[in-house]
Amino acid sequence: DAGVTQSPTHLIKTRGQHVTLRCSPISGHKSVSWYQQVLGQGPQFIFQYYEKEERGRGNFPDRFSARQFPNYSSELNVNALLLGDSALYLCASSLVAVDIYNSPLHFGNGTRLTVT
Amino acid sequence: DQQVKQNSPSLSVQEGRISILNCDYTNSMFDYFLWYKKYPAEGPTFLISISSIKDKNEDGRFTVFLNKSAKHLSLHIVPSQPGDSAVYFCAASAKARGSTLGRLYFGRGTQLTVWP
Repeated sequence: DAGVTQSPTHLIKTRGQHVTLRCSPISGHKSVSWYQQVLGQGPQFIFQYYEKEERGRGNFPDRFSARQFPNYSSELNVNALLLGDSALYLCASSLVAVDIYNSPLHFGNGTRLTVT
Repeated sequence: DQQVKQNSPSLSVQEGRISILNCDYTNSMFDYFLWYKKYPAEGPTFLISISSIKDKNEDGRFTVFLNKSAKHLSLHIVPSQPGDSAVYFCAASAKARGSTLGRLYFGRGTQLTVWP
């Protein structure tokens, strides 16, 4: 079975631009979460979506938005890019949203975003 | 506000010996803890977890110990193998009203190097 797939793998953008990152969860997984990993730190929670509804949001500005589609894939959008947005963006999927105890997160390989 | 702390950025161990990775947390609402392993250019991979109602969980060469009173957990790898060389992240989750149950709080990670 295919794991969590993310596209693109690498991206270079200029300050002020916007970016869209895409994620396809593992087949059958209905929950998608997004994390940002800045170099030297652990992943930081951005969003969780379940059944196309936002179930949680981390401490990120409104420039960050996301959505989940009927097929459970997801997009993360970032507007007005700043240099500090340069990071590895990880998507994770799980079977359900609220039972992390029996449904640990499965991560994709991430999208490396560089803002210049 | 780092609620999950991994104070050792790196650990070097000889093949066959025990590797002990440590993690401390500050939020007493955390009730589920996970370890993820990350190779370069890949996303984090779930390794092992433990619920706060237990003090030990074992899976093959990997054992996680939890000391709730000290808010401390550790991952033991015995025997260590060169293929275990990776970054290990400690993560925690809180099953509390108002929290996002699928949200994980990560430490900054410990780079484990196992040498022959």
